[in-house]
Amino acid sequence: QSALTQPASVSGSPGQSITISCTGTSSDVGGYNYVSWYQQHPGKAPKLMVYDVSNRPSGVSHRFSGSRSGNTASLTISGLQAEDEADYYCSSYTSTSTLNYVFGTGTKVTVL
Amino acid sequence: QVQLVQSGAEVKKPGSSVKVSCKASGGTFSTYAINWVRQAPGQGLEWMGGIIPIFRTTKYRQEFQGRVTLTADESTSTAYMELSSLRSEDTAVYFCGKEILGSTGAFDIWGQGTMVTVSS
Repeated sequence: QSALTQPASVSGSPGQSITISCTGTSSDVGGYNYVSWYQQHPGKAPKLMVYDVSNRPSGVSHRFSGSRSGNTASLTISGLQAEDEADYYCSSYTSTSTLNYVFGTGTKVTVL
Repeated sequence: QVQLVQSGAEVKKPGSSVKVSCKASGGTFSTYAINWVRQAPGQGLEWMGGIIPIFRTTKYRQEFQGRVTLTADESTSTAYMELSSLRSEDTAVYFCGKEILGSTGAFDIWGQGTMVTVSS
C-alpha cells in the first residue's frame, strides 16, 4: 500500500495524554517489528521518537511510548506539553515489492 | 555523533536532472545505510531509496526506478541522490537520513533538507 493510515489531527490539553494510531496490513505494521514514529516541526527535519515498535532513542522523553496491536501501531504522548505540537508520522518496513519503507499519512497534534 | 549536511536549494527546468549531496561527519560513514525521503509542499513523507556505502548496495522505490540514482563516495563521506527527467511534481524538500545500525527503517540522524523547485 502507498501509505499507512493515521488520523489527520489529534488534540489535547497540557498535561493530558493522547494516542495517535497508525493502521497498516500484515505486510507491514502487523508483520514486522520495524515500526518507527517521527515528530516534525514546521520547516524542520523529522526527529525519530520511537523505533522497532516501542524503543526510544537516547535523549527522547519517556513521555513518548509506542505499542502495537495487530495491524495497528500507536504512539502515546503523556503529560502533553506545548512543544509537543507538531506533525507526527509513523513508518514501517513493508514486504511489498514496490518499496521497502512506507510512511503514514501524518497527524497534526494540537495542544489546546 | 554523526551529522549530515546537505547541499543547497536548487531550481531546475522540467526534463533536467538534479544531484543532491549529503555529507557525513563523525562516525564511520561506510557502515550505515543512508536513505532518501522527500516531502512535497504541505504533504507527507515519501521514502525514495537507500544505499549502504560499504557494500554499494542500493534499493529504490519502484515508482522512481530508472529516474533516481543513489551513490556514495567513501573518501569524502558523502552520499548523493540524482533525480532525472524532473517534472513539477518533483518539487519538494529532499532529506537524507541515517539508518540505525541493527534496526530496519529507523532513521535517527537527518540532514537539514534540500529544497528542489522544478519550474519552467
